[in-house]
Amino acid sequence: EVQLQQSGPEVGRPGSSVKISCKASGYTFTDYVMNWVKQSPGQGLEWIGWIDPEYGSTDYAEKFKKKATLTADTSSNTAYIQLSSLTSEDTATYFCARRPYFDYWGQGVMVTVSS
Amino acid sequence: DVVMTQTPVSLSVSLGGQVSISCRSSQSLVHNNGNTYLSWYLQKPGQSPQLLIYKVSNRFSGISDRFSGSGSGTDFTLKISRVEPDDLGVYYCGQGTQYPNTFGAGTKLELK
Repeated sequence: EVQLQQSGPEVGRPGSSVKISCKASGYTFTDYVMNWVKQSPGQGLEWIGWIDPEYGSTDYAEKFKKKATLTADTSSNTAYIQLSSLTSEDTATYFCARRPYFDYWGQGVMVTVSS
Repeated sequence: DVVMTQTPVSLSVSLGGQVSISCRSSQSLVHNNGNTYLSWYLQKPGQSPQLLIYKVSNRFSGISDRFSGSGSGTDFTLKISRVEPDDLGVYYCGQGTQYPNTFGAGTKLELK
């Protein structure tokens, strides 16, 4: 059974960084590109970018190029997203989801930016 | 960016009824490879989105045949027949043809 298990909720101070994980199981991690998606409170879905775990290649939506950094560790089948220079606009739930069809999603991680 | 416009914003339905949700894209979603990467998702309260339909009309594994997708180019429709309580939530269309990938704003399905 394919599962994407994400890390727990995060609280970050304005200007700081947080790093969220997404551990994959039930399939060959390097066979599928991983997406990351943002959902602000009560809002819709925004695509952040993707990472190819096999090659480490990435692509980002323009608005997230200076905000998010995607990495992957093939030894632990885990994808990561680091969010930097946190502001209140980064308060949201962040999902990982497998490409190409976003067929499996993690449970989401709530990031709260608060001083 | 491709703008995905979903209508209606909300929908009330009786159990056992049928509904349709429209999704229109600002540009054609036909990829250079001939595929159309238009998907439909349902997000139930407090849960992650779940894939229902991919490439316009293909039901994902385990998805009931009460859900059907159709359309082409820039105009797409999700139909849900014999609505059940477990179908309630917010439906999103999403496109994977062009970068950045984008989603509609959602259609909330509620009980009448």
